[in-house]
Order: sequence, then structure tokens, then C-alpha cells
Amino acid sequence: AQKVTQAQTEISVVEKEDVTLDCVYETRDTTYYLFWYKQPPSGELVFLIRRNSFDEQNEISGRYSWNFQKSTSSFNFTITASQVVDSAVYFCALRSLGNNDMRFGAGTRLTVKP
Amino acid sequence: ETGVTQTPRHLVMGMTNKKSLKCEQHLGHNAMYWYKQSAKKPLELMFVYNFKEQTENNSVPSRFSPECPNSSHLFLHLHTLQPEDSALYLCASTNNEGSNGYTFGSGTRLTVV
Repeated sequence: AQKVTQAQTEISVVEKEDVTLDCVYETRDTTYYLFWYKQPPSGELVFLIRRNSFDEQNEISGRYSWNFQKSTSSFNFTITASQVVDSAVYFCALRSLGNNDMRFGAGTRLTVKP
Repeated sequence: ETGVTQTPRHLVMGMTNKKSLKCEQHLGHNAMYWYKQSAKKPLELMFVYNFKEQTENNSVPSRFSPECPNSSHLFLHLHTLQPEDSALYLCASTNNEGSNGYTFGSGTRLTVV
């Protein structure tokens, strides 16, 4: 069975603070893909990143960085120097190769206060 | 423009009304999904269509009726809804490659009065 756990339901930080959103997953498949999505108040889920199970290199994109650790089945997301515009719900998701279904975590609501 | 278009963006309907939500994509995807997102709840998968065939129905009440006339269009027909059905309804699409994520529409915010 596949499962994605985002233990943090809500996080509140002050602007310019760094914040890490946790994601832990479970799967028996050897080839799978992990995703992060951002859902701003407008409602649409916006794709942020995809990692495949064979590539554990961390990735940085501007203020965003992702730490994929297969040993702990985690794919955490860090926002550096957070901004008010980062306020949104963030979803972690898992999809296996050849499987149409994507498993989403429950989401973490991030509020960045000015 | 996300590639997945949902209409209407907002809908208010009475419990005795019949309405339909529409989702359209021209990304060449062959799988389409309906999700329900209630306030402060996780995304709930409702229906999955693959090559126009329904492959999953997640115990959704019959007052929700999906229709997929072709790989580019997906509808959700609504009738005799309850106030607890008020939610954001999201459509998504993907192709059959597991490496790809879903592309989501902006959703229809439904209020049942």
C-alpha cells in the first residue's frame, strides 16, 4: 500500500524565517516519483517539483530546496527567507511507475506573517 | 492558463437543483480525475477515468454522476445535493507515464444552500 504523511497540519512563521515542511512516504515499489504542489488561496494546485526514486540529489530552486532521503523515506521541503506570498497549502504526493494513481498527503497549511 | 480548464469557477445551488461541472484539457492526457476538497480536509479522490473508461469510483454517493465523453472532457453532474457537499471540486489530468504529475484545474467552488 502507498501512503504519504504530512504530520504538520499548520505552520505559522514570520517573514524571512526559514521553514521546513515534512513529508514521509511508504511504498513497496522500487521505481516511484515524489512531488510537491502548492495550493494558493485561488485553489489551483501548482506543481513545484518532481523527484524520481533513483535520484537522491538534493535540489535547490531559488528560495526553495528539497531534501530526499530514501533511508528515512522522507522528502522534505524547505523555504528559505519566507515571504507572505509563500502562504498556501503545500501537498506532498507519491506516484509509482505505471500507476495512474497519485497518493497525496493531507497537506500543510503555511502562513507567513509580515 | 493551466492547460486544465474548469467551469464554472463558483456555483451556488439549491438542494433540489441539477447542475453540471465541466473540465476540459487539451494536453493530450488520457487520464482524468475528480477530487473533492472540503474545508481543512485532505483531498478526496472521487472518480478516475482512463481512456474514457471509469476505472475508480471511491464510494461516492449517487447524487454525483460523472461523465467522460472523450479524453479531453470530463463532467460531474450534480443533483439533490446536501449542504455538506459544499466544497472545492478539482479536476486533474495526466498521461499514463508514472513519472508525470497531475495538472490541476483551478477548481469549482460549490456552495449548496
